[in-house]
Amino acid sequence: EIVLTQSPATLSLSPGERATLSCRASQSVSSYLAWYQQKPGQAPRLLIYDAFNRATGIPARFSGSGSGTDFTLTISSLEPEDFAVYYCQQRSNWPRTFGQGTKVEIK
Amino acid sequence: EVQLLESGGGLVQPGGSLRLSCAASGFTFSSYVMSWVRQAPGKGLTWVSSIGNAGASTYYADSMKGRFTISRDNSKNTLYLQMNSLRAEDTAVYFCARGGFYTAFDYWGQGSLVTVSS
Repeated sequence: EIVLTQSPATLSLSPGERATLSCRASQSVSSYLAWYQQKPGQAPRLLIYDAFNRATGIPARFSGSGSGTDFTLTISSLEPEDFAVYYCQQRSNWPRTFGQGTKVEIK
Repeated sequence: EVQLLESGGGLVQPGGSLRLSCAASGFTFSSYVMSWVRQAPGKGLTWVSSIGNAGASTYYADSMKGRFTISRDNSKNTLYLQMNSLRAEDTAVYFCARGGFYTAFDYWGQGSLVTVSS
């Protein structure tokens, strides 16, 4: 099973600041990595697929990078609605696995 | 507009069974892989199972294998999850999601809460 480790667990930032979230895989997942955003009481929403492709309707301030085992989600300038939990997920191998999440909170 | 609507959750005793349904609309259901993902209270996301568009291929997380069965009825645009021998640790919100084989999970339902307790 591929283990995805996200860091940091919590990121405390102010609106307008840049957020950098990391996801490290225990073995290569090529570019088959996605990022999701989840707000309390809501379903997850796909942000980025296959490492760097923005999903439909996702603002340009969200960007993804990386390949192999190291990936990054960057939010260039945090908007109030971006404070949420973010998960990475791989579709390279079965079972599909998620990272444990990074909470982006208001400082 | 893609819509996924789960139903069938509720309170069940340990060892009991429950069947979840996910009604899909807004897309050609029979053309898409579908999946179930769950989230225990206050915890992260855990993939449960995925099924191919024709229903011939299925995959399960190890902890659900032999207890859960994923299926679909393309004539009814509905995805199912039959859950047997339920345990307290199966307590979670169960989401249905589109995708899982060759794509990420691009659309999600709002979830259905399953509580396993005596």
